Amino acid sequence: DAGVTQSPTHLIKTRGQQVTLRCSPKSGHDTVSWYQQALGQGPQFIFQYYEEEERQRGNFPDRFSGHQFPNYSSELNVNALLLGDSALYLCASSLRGRSTNEKLFFGSGTQLSVL
Amino acid sequence: AQKITQTQPGMFVQEKEAVTLDCTYDTSDPSYGLFWYKQPSSGEMIFLIYQGSYDQQNATEGRYSLNFQKARKSANLVISASQLGDSAMYFCAMRQGGSEKLVFGKGMKLTVNP
Repeated sequence: DAGVTQSPTHLIKTRGQQVTLRCSPKSGHDTVSWYQQALGQGPQFIFQYYEEEERQRGNFPDRFSGHQFPNYSSELNVNALLLGDSALYLCASSLRGRSTNEKLFFGSGTQLSVL
Repeated sequence: AQKITQTQPGMFVQEKEAVTLDCTYDTSDPSYGLFWYKQPSSGEMIFLIYQGSYDQQNATEGRYSLNFQKARKSANLVISASQLGDSAMYFCAMRQGGSEKLVFGKGMKLTVNP
């Protein structure tokens, strides 16, 4: 049973460029969330996708956008990269239950470095 | 606003000893869930244990237990019989009722010594 898979594992970009990160959820899961984890910090919620729609968004600018495909996989796009976008980007999947105990399963993340 | 506070930047424990990792939280919502995740150097966040705000008993999962003190708004993780593989970053997190997001603390680093 494959867990959450993310690609690529590492990425180096320069300021102003655009980047796309990819995530495949755990088998049987229908909901994907994206988190940004800066060095030495806890993850911060970017947004969540369910039924191919963005359901909730954290405090991130419009430069951050996403997409969910019919097979539940997801992409995170970041435009006009800034040095401060350097972070570990984590994808998490779950089976939508709309309860507080909905458990997230995380991937190993994509380490993005912006130079 | 919801907030998670983890004040211990790092802890050291001897193998086979028990250790308590502190977590306090702040929320005005009566319905919420508390989570602990482990993050080894590989980067993956691994779910350890969950406690609901209405749960009457403290949660347990194998060697992990959660010391839930609702009036004090604390949700400390207790790891019994520490193992070398327990060395990692540990994060406390909360989800409010009706919200999709988890709010994480800054985490703390646990090192288990042989």
